[in-house]
Amino acid sequence: QVQLQETGPGLVKPSQTLSLTCTVSGGSISSGRYFWSWIRQQPGEGLELIGIIYNSGSTNYNPSLNSRVTISEDTSKNQFSLKLRSVTAADTAVYYCARVIPDYGAGYFDLWGRGTLVTVSS
Amino acid sequence: EIVLTQSPGTLSLSPGERATLSCRASQSVSSRYLAWYQQKPGQAPRLLISGASSRATGIPDRFTGSGSGTDFTLTISKLEPEDFAVYFCQQYGSSLTFGQGTRLEIK
Repeated sequence: QVQLQETGPGLVKPSQTLSLTCTVSGGSISSGRYFWSWIRQQPGEGLELIGIIYNSGSTNYNPSLNSRVTISEDTSKNQFSLKLRSVTAADTAVYYCARVIPDYGAGYFDLWGRGTLVTVSS
Repeated sequence: EIVLTQSPGTLSLSPGERATLSCRASQSVSSRYLAWYQQKPGQAPRLLISGASSRATGIPDRFTGSGSGTDFTLTISKLEPEDFAVYFCQQYGSSLTFGQGTRLEIK
């Protein structure tokens, strides 16, 4: 049974870099069958795609975050990671990692981590 | 970017009733590339429907997705107490966007 688990600091200071890791257990991120993604949900709000890392290792980011985001993978650890630079209070959110079922150009999300709340505050 | 508008914002119904949730796209969604998710408080979203009408593994058949083009519907035929949650639609026919959600609450 594949599971995803987000880890990282729950508190980040403004202007610093938010760093999270998603560890995938029960399956390999390099199987080639799936993409992997980060999604966030600001308090009381809807869902916002941050970006996707494809099985080629290439990435696609939300244009509104593109200049501040990097998603990378470490296949040796079966993990993928998120870095969001220059954070502000507006980046306070629950951050989810999720598995993407490729379909057409993007896909849909069939498996999610439990999410981790990251608060940006001094 | 395709904008998805969900309605109503909040739907108040009783267990046993039928729920109809709408997701309208600002442009036609290619080949019915639309998914629905359920989210309960403090939990991650759960995939219900993909391809506009295909139920995900383990999803009860009281959940039905339908529609094409710009108008999509999630119908819950007979509400169970555990169905009261927030529901999101998501399109993946042109990039990827989410609707803002419909809250289904107990009347």
